[in-house]
Amino acid sequence: NAGVMQNPRHLVRRRGQEARLRCSPMKGHSHVYWYRQLPEEGLKFMVYLQKENIIDESGMPKERFSAEFPKEGPSILRIQQVVRGDSAAYFCASSPSQNSNQPQHFGDGTRLSIL
Amino acid sequence: EDQVTQSPEALRLQEGESSSLNCSYTVSGLRGLFWYRQDPGKGPEFLFTLYSAGEEKEKERLKATLTKKESFLHITAPKPEESATYLCAGYYNQGGKLIFGQGTELSVKP
Repeated sequence: NAGVMQNPRHLVRRRGQEARLRCSPMKGHSHVYWYRQLPEEGLKFMVYLQKENIIDESGMPKERFSAEFPKEGPSILRIQQVVRGDSAAYFCASSPSQNSNQPQHFGDGTRLSIL
Repeated sequence: EDQVTQSPEALRLQEGESSSLNCSYTVSGLRGLFWYRQDPGKGPEFLFTLYSAGEEKEKERLKATLTKKESFLHITAPKPEESATYLCAGYYNQGGKLIFGQGTELSVKP
């Protein structure tokens, strides 16, 4: 039973380019969460999606960041016009439901480096 | 604003030296308290969920407990392979997001 799959594992972009991070949840999981881990900081929630719907985007920066979870295919976190401050590890997690008795399972992240 | 605070930030132990990691959390609205382990370059790995004060859960040499305002992760006779960062996270009445602490970086020397 494959876990949460994220790709790419490492992504290098120049300032001003776009970054696309992909996340395939565990089989049977329809809830996806994105978190960001900045250097020397803890994991911070960004966005929570269910198939085709954004449920909570309270942690997303207002500009340049967007997320989607289409009916078919992986969830995508998109960062437009990247800046140096976007360098971080981005983690995706999934769960079968929103209930607190269903833990979120994490992928191994995408390490984004901005030159 | 809901908060989760972990201490110490770093802990160095000798193999076999038992100790506890602390997690303090905002009490109001907590629906679950989660412990994860994170190895360098990896994502967090789920360990335990605790729901109510007095609850305890064990897994091998790890034991998690929950009081009315804190959670503890006790490690009995740790081995070097248990060196990792241990994360505590609270789940509140705000939908699906987890509020993470900064983590405790545990180093176990042989």
